[in-house]
Amino acid sequence: DAGVTQSPTHLIKTRGQQVTLRCSPKSGHDTVSWYQQALGQGPQFIFQYYEEEERQRGNFPDRFSGHQFPNYSSELNVNALLLGDSALYLCASSLVGAKRADTQYFGPGTRLTVL
Amino acid sequence: AQSVTQLDSHVSVSEGTPVLLRCNYSSSYSPSLFWYVQHPNKGLQLLLKYTSAATLVKGINGFEAEFKKSETSFHLTKPSAHMSDAAEYFCVRSGSARQLTFGSGTQLTVLP
Repeated sequence: DAGVTQSPTHLIKTRGQQVTLRCSPKSGHDTVSWYQQALGQGPQFIFQYYEEEERQRGNFPDRFSGHQFPNYSSELNVNALLLGDSALYLCASSLVGAKRADTQYFGPGTRLTVL
Repeated sequence: AQSVTQLDSHVSVSEGTPVLLRCNYSSSYSPSLFWYVQHPNKGLQLLLKYTSAATLVKGINGFEAEFKKSETSFHLTKPSAHMSDAAEYFCVRSGSARQLTFGSGTQLTVLP
């Protein structure tokens, strides 16, 4: 049973560039959430995708956008990169329709460095 | 806003001694609470979850947590620490929209 996978593992970009991160959910899951974890902090919720639509969004600017594909995989796009976007980006998958406290399973993350 | 507060940013214990990591949550009608662990340069692993079925929740690797509504607490414990337990621990709650709210984390150091 494959868990949550993310690619790439590491990424280095310069200010102003754009980046795309990818996530494949755990087998059988249909919902993908993205989190940003800055160094020394807890993860912060970016947004959640279900049925190919953004369902919930945290306090992040429109530079952060996403997409979910029919196979439930997802992309996170960040435009006009800032130094402050340097962080570990975590993807989590879950199953809608389970009990309210459906568990989110996390991937290993993508480490983004903006120079 | 719903939140969780981890009372200690760093906890240090000797190998073989008990572990206590403290977490309080803001009052809610029926919170869903989790503990996740993060080893260096790794993703987050679920230790255990509380979903109102039982107040004492047992997780993996010998960890357990007790939900105390009167104290709005959900502390994580383990009877005997192992070197491999050294990691960052996060207390997490799930909101009505299923988004997770993380505490600030507790770094656990296990001394030989």
